[in-house]
Amino acid sequence: SAVISQKPSRDICQRGTSLTIQCQVDSQVTMMFWYRQQPGQSLTLIATANQGSEATYESGFVIDKFPISRPNLTFSTLTVSNMSPEDSSIYLCSVEGDRAYEQYFGPGTRLTVT
Amino acid sequence: QKEVEQDPGPLSVPEGAIVSLNCTYSNSAFQYFMWYRQYSRKGPELLMYTYSSGNKEDGRFTAQVDKSSKYISLFIRDSQPSDSATYLCAMTGTASKLTFGTGTRLQVTL
Repeated sequence: SAVISQKPSRDICQRGTSLTIQCQVDSQVTMMFWYRQQPGQSLTLIATANQGSEATYESGFVIDKFPISRPNLTFSTLTVSNMSPEDSSIYLCSVEGDRAYEQYFGPGTRLTVT
Repeated sequence: QKEVEQDPGPLSVPEGAIVSLNCTYSNSAFQYFMWYRQYSRKGPELLMYTYSSGNKEDGRFTAQVDKSSKYISLFIRDSQPSDSATYLCAMTGTASKLTFGTGTRLQVTL
């Protein structure tokens, strides 16, 4: 299984600012995913990021709010832009395993917006 | 109605008890059914998966899928304090997109 790290592990930010979250994988992977996990709610997929192409966003998420970069096969970033308290959440990246239903998750970034 | 429903708990059981965790779903296209375990302040980790209907056993864990009822279960035998975590069901059709339940928080007490 892949080993995934995320930076920062947590942050407290002021509304109106932006935060970039980094996701690093110890092996080359084709597909990377970004999720949001809010208290009492399901893990919600924000977007899928393939290297060399634009990220694919899920309904309710837009590129202007959550721009994603995928410069190579081991790294991705998610930016949360113009933050509001409603963006307070845990943000997780994951990668696909050998089988389509397998995903391996990073430890998450706990974001609080004040 | 959510595609996947899961009781959030919390569920508190004594050590050694049999634990039953369940999810219901509405999408008939789901073919792969997974259980993830998430410890506090960690990312989810894949615990078990089942393809289509049937049972799968792995040590103290048994996963069951009943597609006719759109109902999946995870049983934990001889539960241990180290099993205390949030358990998330997840499912997918043939694509990579997973649909998760909200998770059930389990506490196994000494």
